[in-house]
Amino acid sequence: DSGVTQTPKHLITATGQRVTLRCSPRSGDLSVYWYQQSLDQGLQFLIQYYNGEERAKGNILERFSAQQFPDLHSELNLSSLELGDSALYFCASSVGASGRADTQYFGPGTRLTVL
Amino acid sequence: GNSVTQMEGPVTLSEEAFLTINCTYTATGYPSLFWYVQYPGEGLQLLLKATKADDKGSNKGFEATYRKETTSFHLEKGSVQVSDSAVYFCALSDPTGGFKTIFGAGTRLFVKA
Repeated sequence: DSGVTQTPKHLITATGQRVTLRCSPRSGDLSVYWYQQSLDQGLQFLIQYYNGEERAKGNILERFSAQQFPDLHSELNLSSLELGDSALYFCASSVGASGRADTQYFGPGTRLTVL
Repeated sequence: GNSVTQMEGPVTLSEEAFLTINCTYTATGYPSLFWYVQYPGEGLQLLLKATKADDKGSNKGFEATYRKETTSFHLEKGSVQVSDSAVYFCALSDPTGGFKTIFGAGTRLFVKA
């Protein structure tokens, strides 16, 4: 158990819909990262927040957005869903702002299926 | 830009065989290097890391040495077990890349009893 929790575990929805994925980092960790894992794209970094502020941005679509709240939990919002958004979405956390040796601790993931 | 290239899988070995999973990287700066492992149905977890040239990371019998001259960080284990069956990801974190962690495509390992 990494100490990172993600809800829900599974999500099934239809194209065009909007969903929210939730992540609670390990106690004491200030950074939260979001990743998308799909069979054809591998593990793609989406976005990072550090202590409430956006820290780094990866290959995140404009239809996707995220935020980190004062209690440090984070939410990833996916809207106008398409079939290709079906994937595993992982949240990870780390102590710092992703220094050179920061270890990221991953949650169990949310499996999103778009029908 | 920064990138990580891993050998394609799946790799299938018999128990007690020697394991090598190759990883090479491209980075503009001086990155830290990581190996993460993903067991079936779980998230990734850190296996080992190295932060400077010639550092050797080790954990659970796995080892990898940071080779700056060959830009490599190959994962090795002398004797694999069935419980090592998983997907292994090589990754880097480069300060000149804003410390974004870049992951390789992953290598699936199957170990047969």
